[in-house]
Amino acid sequence: DSGVTQTPKHLITATGQRVTLRCSPRSGDLSVYWYQQSLDQGLQFLIQYYNGEERAKGNILERFSAQQFPDLHSELNLSSLELGDSALYFCASSAGTSGPSTDTQYFGPGTRLTVL
Amino acid sequence: GQSLEQPSEVTAVEGAIVQINCTYQTSGFYGLSWYQQHDGGAPTFLSYNALDGLEETGRFSSFLSRSDSYGYLLLQELQMKDSASYFCAVRDPTGRRALTFGSGTRLQVQP
Repeated sequence: DSGVTQTPKHLITATGQRVTLRCSPRSGDLSVYWYQQSLDQGLQFLIQYYNGEERAKGNILERFSAQQFPDLHSELNLSSLELGDSALYFCASSAGTSGPSTDTQYFGPGTRLTVL
Repeated sequence: GQSLEQPSEVTAVEGAIVQINCTYQTSGFYGLSWYQQHDGGAPTFLSYNALDGLEETGRFSSFLSRSDSYGYLLLQELQMKDSASYFCAVRDPTGRRALTFGSGTRLQVQP
């Protein structure tokens, strides 16, 4: 158990809909990262938040957005869903945001999104 | 941009040693990480090399050569439970910890 929690575990929805994925980082971790894993694209970085502020952006679509709340939990909002958005969405957390370290990111169990 | 290359599949027998190679291209290098992922599971951190050389953690070791933009993960005394996908990853070229992952190497350990 990494200490990172994600809900829901599974989500099935229809094209055009909007969903929200939730993540709680490990106790004490200030950074939260969102990754998408699909068969054809592999594990791709979407966005990072550090202590409530956006710190880095990856291949995140404009239809997707995220935020980190004062209690450090984060939500990833996916809207106007398309079939191609079906994937595993992972949240990860780490203590800091930059600088030397063991570079460990702790991943949650993921949310499997199926868009029909 | 950043890119990492690793073999797609490796097969080995129980008790053997296997090496998974990774070559990378990045405009700013801040270290090479390795993660393990079992089917249906989450990636789990294995090791991190910021400097050249070998890092050993139990049965797993990781090596880095920055001049060659190359690293490898060495798994010794293979066990059936080591069957999983292994990903190398580099940090964002600005030094932030967002990771770019390779496409993963699927290791199958046979009895």
